Amino acid sequence: AQSVTQLDSQVPVFEEAPVELRCNYSSSVSVYLFWYVQYPNQGLQLLLKYLSGSTLVESINGFEAEFNKSQTSFHLRKPSVHISDTAEYFCAVSERKRGGNKLTFGTGTQLKVEL
Amino acid sequence: SAVISQKPSRDICQRGTSLTIQCQVDSQVTMMFWYRQQPGQSLTLIATANQGSEATYESGFVIDKFPISRPNLTFSTLTVSNMSPEDSSIYLCSVVGGVRRGTEAFFGQGTRLTVV
Repeated sequence: AQSVTQLDSQVPVFEEAPVELRCNYSSSVSVYLFWYVQYPNQGLQLLLKYLSGSTLVESINGFEAEFNKSQTSFHLRKPSVHISDTAEYFCAVSERKRGGNKLTFGTGTQLKVEL
Repeated sequence: SAVISQKPSRDICQRGTSLTIQCQVDSQVTMMFWYRQQPGQSLTLIATANQGSEATYESGFVIDKFPISRPNLTFSTLTVSNMSPEDSSIYLCSVVGGVRRGTEAFFGQGTRLTVV
């Protein structure tokens, strides 16, 4: 079984400031790691994922996350946030296997970008 | 990628009634997942629906309350039975795909259910 911990339920930040959203996971098997974003009144969208290879993964809108196996972490960062980044961010894990598998989600972090 | 259509997008229902949510995928998938997102909370998996077999329910969810159908590889339904206000949530259908199969989950827009 897997579990995901997002310690920060809310993160307020000013526009153009850097931000880090923390995610730690627990699993007895190898996992895939994901960050999903949910904009107000919209569905879940995949932001980025770690499957294998380079431990640093990036999204098209400037977010990045680094897989740290020793610390079992997958923190999400952005060097300069924009007002449009205001959303709920969910970290998730799934067991590393082919054919599809269920996701275990963290409780989410509400990122609020202020002017 | 996979495109998922969910119906209805939202509904307001009387307690004691049932609502069936439909999920249509634009490609054939082996496994479909149903999640619940209660107000202000994260997503919780209700069950995994495989075509041609009984759905597999997670702890805390039972078939009598959340019966699921999976008649083919592109369609599934979730019924919320004998509803109470505690069932007010967003219900989401999900499939797993991606270039490396099993590595990316796609979600429908969700069904926002309010029970009064």
